[in-house]
Amino acid sequence: QKEVEQNSGPLSVPEGAIASLNCTYSDRVSQSFFWYRQYSGKSPELIMSIYSNGDKEDGRFTAQLNKASQYVSLLIRDSQPSDSATYLCAVKGDDKIIFGKGTRLHILP
Amino acid sequence: GAVVSQHPSRVICKSGTSVKIECRSLDFQATTMFWYRQFPKQSLMLMATSNEGSKATYEQGVEKDKFLINHASLTLSTLTVTSAHPEDSSFYICSARDPEGRGNTGELFFGEGSRLTVL
Repeated sequence: QKEVEQNSGPLSVPEGAIASLNCTYSDRVSQSFFWYRQYSGKSPELIMSIYSNGDKEDGRFTAQLNKASQYVSLLIRDSQPSDSATYLCAVKGDDKIIFGKGTRLHILP
Repeated sequence: GAVVSQHPSRVICKSGTSVKIECRSLDFQATTMFWYRQFPKQSLMLMATSNEGSKATYEQGVEKDKFLINHASLTLSTLTVTSAHPEDSSFYICSARDPEGRGNTGELFFGEGSRLTVL
């Protein structure tokens, strides 16, 4: 069964520091990887997508992908209280997108 | 990104009644939409794939007669929870692929979600 694993947290990070969120996946043929942010009671919001090995930067966010290790991560620089949310890792296999259970991130003011 | 709208955002109903949730793509045509369910502090679980003009594809363990999906147009998919029970109380979210996505890598964009409470 295809799986996406994340540490549920909560991950507490001081304001201004770097938050590092990690995700592993089981399906080796996966080609597309996404990070979604979900505030409590709201639906997920896409913040990053990555398709090839290496780093992809967008503002304060950097996604990192290592297909050999089946590992994808999200770095948030200069963490803000508004970054406090659950971050869902999602992996696209054949035609379906599988979600991890999410990591709760808490930015400490 | 693409805009997906869902309605209603909250609904409370009595056991045994049916509830319909609508999902619309506002600025693009979506031949395929996806319905997810999320229980508190759990991840999104794909329930079914809604295909315009044809039958929906249900995931294993999802009762197709209980969760009726209709995708009658390129901009509207509906999910009807029939004979609802308290255990159906959940957050239901629809999504559609980014129509501008490269080939088969299109990201999913989500509707606002519908919180169903069955009394």
